[in-house]
Amino acid sequence: DSGVTQTPKHLITATGQRVTLRCSPRSGDLSVYWYQQSLDQGLQFLIQYYNGEERAKGNILERFSAQQFPDLHSELNLSSLELGDSALYFCASTQQGTGRDTQYFGPGTRLTVL
Amino acid sequence: AQTVTQSQPEMSVQEAETVTLSCTYDTSESDYYLFWYKQPPSRQMILVIRQEAYKQQNATENRFSVNFQKAAKSFSLKISDSQLGDAAMYFCAYRLGGSEKLVFGKGTKLTVNP
Repeated sequence: DSGVTQTPKHLITATGQRVTLRCSPRSGDLSVYWYQQSLDQGLQFLIQYYNGEERAKGNILERFSAQQFPDLHSELNLSSLELGDSALYFCASTQQGTGRDTQYFGPGTRLTVL
Repeated sequence: AQTVTQSQPEMSVQEAETVTLSCTYDTSESDYYLFWYKQPPSRQMILVIRQEAYKQQNATENRFSVNFQKAAKSFSLKISDSQLGDAAMYFCAYRLGGSEKLVFGKGTKLTVNP
């Protein structure tokens, strides 16, 4: 158990819908990262937050957004869902968010768009 | 573009034997960190081992060790005394010192035969 929690574990929804994925970092960690794992794209970095502020953006679609709240949990919002958004979404956390930190991953949320 | 290449999509090993998984990466930076993550059927991403590029000594964690060849940009993972529980996808990844994101390879699926 990495100490990072993600809910829900599974999510099944229809095209065009909007969903919210939630992540709670390890105790004491200030930085949260979101990754998408799909069969065709592999594991890709989406976005990073540090202590409530967006720090880095990767291959995140405009239909996707995220935020980190004062209690440091983070939410990833996916809207106007398409079939291709079906994937495993991981959250990871580190203490400081620097390059030397090791990222510890949550168990992931499996999103299925029908 | 920064890339990580895992040239072996699948590998198999007999229980109690040793197996080596290959990984090469491409970066012109000198400050970076290398990781191997394991993803068992549960889909959890589990850190196996980490190597700092500035360290010449190869990292070791129990039965897991790496062969880090900086000039060749090679970072292979050796698993000794393989166990059935080692069966998983193994991902090689690196992270630049000043960067926030992990860059992953496509993974190697390891099968352990009893």
